[in-house]
Amino acid sequence: AQTVTQSQPEMSVQEAETVTLSCTYDTSESNYYLFWYKQPPSRQMILVIRQEAYKQQNATENRFSVNFQKAAKSFSLKISDSQLGDTAMYFCAFMMLGGSEKLVFGKGTKLTVNP
Amino acid sequence: DARVTQTPRHKVTEMGQEVTMRCQPILGHNTVFWYRQTMMQGLELLAYFRNRAPLDDSGMPKDRFSAEMPDATLATLKIQPSEPRDSAVYFCASGLPTGWETQYFGPGTRLLVL
Repeated sequence: AQTVTQSQPEMSVQEAETVTLSCTYDTSESNYYLFWYKQPPSRQMILVIRQEAYKQQNATENRFSVNFQKAAKSFSLKISDSQLGDTAMYFCAFMMLGGSEKLVFGKGTKLTVNP
Repeated sequence: DARVTQTPRHKVTEMGQEVTMRCQPILGHNTVFWYRQTMMQGLELLAYFRNRAPLDDSGMPKDRFSAEMPDATLATLKIQPSEPRDSAVYFCASGLPTGWETQYFGPGTRLLVL
């Protein structure tokens, strides 16, 4: 079974600075997707970024980028120029391609952006 | 701006009562997922449907939970009888026929069973 581990329960960063959230996963599969979801205090789950395992190029979405290390099974999220609105829980998630379509989530990292 | 909608947003009930949660997926999405979020277990899949057919409900306690899609615009999750341990936030998510790997989440139903 696949597992996702987020080793940082809480993190904080100053506004305008850069922060990196860690995620590792365990799978024997070679084809899969990885995701970062954001959950602000409203509890809405918002997709931040997605990475296909077959792509070597790291995904980027504006201020958000990932460092995908397939051999190391690592998928970290970098947030540049942090904004107060980035304060939220961040969940790393895994989905196997061609099998069950369920998302397997990590326990989350609570990020606080300080003014 | 298409969104997944869920009702009710909040529900407080007493142990033993039936609870029904509803979800309206984004129009054109044919895959619907139900997740439960608790402090102890985090986010976990309960069940999911494609084209209204259940594909996986292995995460759902079968004795008290049931999930259905009466039509393409409505998914329901029922708990009967409810128990205090069912207190959680229940999320519905939907996905496109193509690009199904991206799931769009609703706002969730926060359930408290007393």
